[in-house]
Amino acid sequence: GAVVSQHPSWVICKSGTSVKIECRSLDFQATTMFWYRQFPKQSLMLMATSNEGSKATYEQGVEKDKFLINHASLTLSTLTVTSAHPEDSSFYICSAREAGGTGNQPQHFGDGTRLSIL
Amino acid sequence: AQRVTQPEKLLSVFKGAPVELKCNYSYSGSPELFWYVQYSRQRLQLLLRHISRESIKGFTADLNKGETSFHLKKPFAQEEDSAMYYCALSGAGGTSYGKLTFGQGTILTVHP
Repeated sequence: GAVVSQHPSWVICKSGTSVKIECRSLDFQATTMFWYRQFPKQSLMLMATSNEGSKATYEQGVEKDKFLINHASLTLSTLTVTSAHPEDSSFYICSAREAGGTGNQPQHFGDGTRLSIL
Repeated sequence: AQRVTQPEKLLSVFKGAPVELKCNYSYSGSPELFWYVQYSRQRLQLLLRHISRESIKGFTADLNKGETSFHLKKPFAQEEDSAMYYCALSGAGGTSYGKLTFGQGTILTVHP
């Protein structure tokens, strides 16, 4: 089956540090990847849609300068949390949708990254 | 705006009992509805989607446009069904195409 690898799974760092999270589709090509944020005991909230070779599309209220997204290849998207602060601490999850096909292809999810900013 | 509501945060049943996880949605067009499941210490995975009209692991879900619902049902729950279940909606076109809006999730516990 389609596998999405997300790295790192857990990161703890000091306030002001920039943190990069990688999302890879291991056995399929993904023209579109999605980045979600999940607060404790809450649902997944879509942050942005990452399209290979073009700029990401951010949801309302998400700071594009704070959360930099790069989707340079069909198998890799990265999310960089710039100058992270304690309020950025959260669980970040990526998903990838297979290239090709018609209609709404299912999204395949990574394991998530727990980010803790001290 | 699209919205998904799962009214029950927790649902407990005994093994062999029927189970229904409720999902209601709000969307102005024709949505696509999904159920995702997350077992303990595992990643989120697709359980079923309404356009497939199939039964997965004994679960079925019917899209009721009149009631704007997509409830997940299983006639005889098993202990291995214990998990977090998310109902999700995706717009069929426009800017919401392909984007998933998730409900709050329901934790299903099936007791032996």
